[in-house]
Amino acid sequence: DGGITQSPKYLFRKEGQNVTLSCEQNLNHDAMYWYRQDPGQGLRLIYYSQIVNDFQKGDIAEGYSVSREKKESFPLTVTSAQKNPTAFYLCASRRGLAGGGAGELFFGEGSRLTVL
Amino acid sequence: AQKVTQAQTEISVVEKEDVTLDCVYETRDTTYYLFWYKQPPSGELVFLIRRNSFDEQNEISGRYSWNFQKSTSSFNFTITASQVVDSAVYFCALIPIIQGAQKLVFGQGTRLTINP
Repeated sequence: DGGITQSPKYLFRKEGQNVTLSCEQNLNHDAMYWYRQDPGQGLRLIYYSQIVNDFQKGDIAEGYSVSREKKESFPLTVTSAQKNPTAFYLCASRRGLAGGGAGELFFGEGSRLTVL
Repeated sequence: AQKVTQAQTEISVVEKEDVTLDCVYETRDTTYYLFWYKQPPSGELVFLIRRNSFDEQNEISGRYSWNFQKSTSSFNFTITASQVVDSAVYFCALIPIIQGAQKLVFGQGTRLTINP
């Protein structure tokens, strides 16, 4: 089945460590996104990528990094520079308006990161 | 700039009651898409509906209905005869239909609790 796979589902990290969250999609979508969600809050955009080898900062990019070496993959690294990394992270993809899509995002099941 | 406001942060009703979730948006673009997403306790956001700004027809899907009123910039969501399984956080979102538009703007979400 087509979809978005995020791993790991749960991750614990010690302060000062970098961690990488995986996001893979087999929907053949061009655009991919990373969102952060804190308890009781909405979604905040971290980074997004419209095509391979290109990505843009979202609203809260500081302390995060991404890469887009393949269309299917958009991993997010939470670096030690991120001051408050404990959160729920959601990856999404979208076919895009230019590609005939209507703009809706398709989401993975999320990764919950806890810093100890 | 676009903005989506979901003024109701939490709603709690008894099963079988009807409930309406409000969504008000701001945009200078004349064409746009509006969306509703459901986030159950598992965490994944599930796409519910997309509405094009050209189409102001209300839509009904089973117990769900959506009332789009361009004159008041609102896109409200009603659940009829609510069920416990409807308990979730619901998000309203918007994206303009313009070349290069890549970011959905989300509201803060409404946490809906259906009590048995």
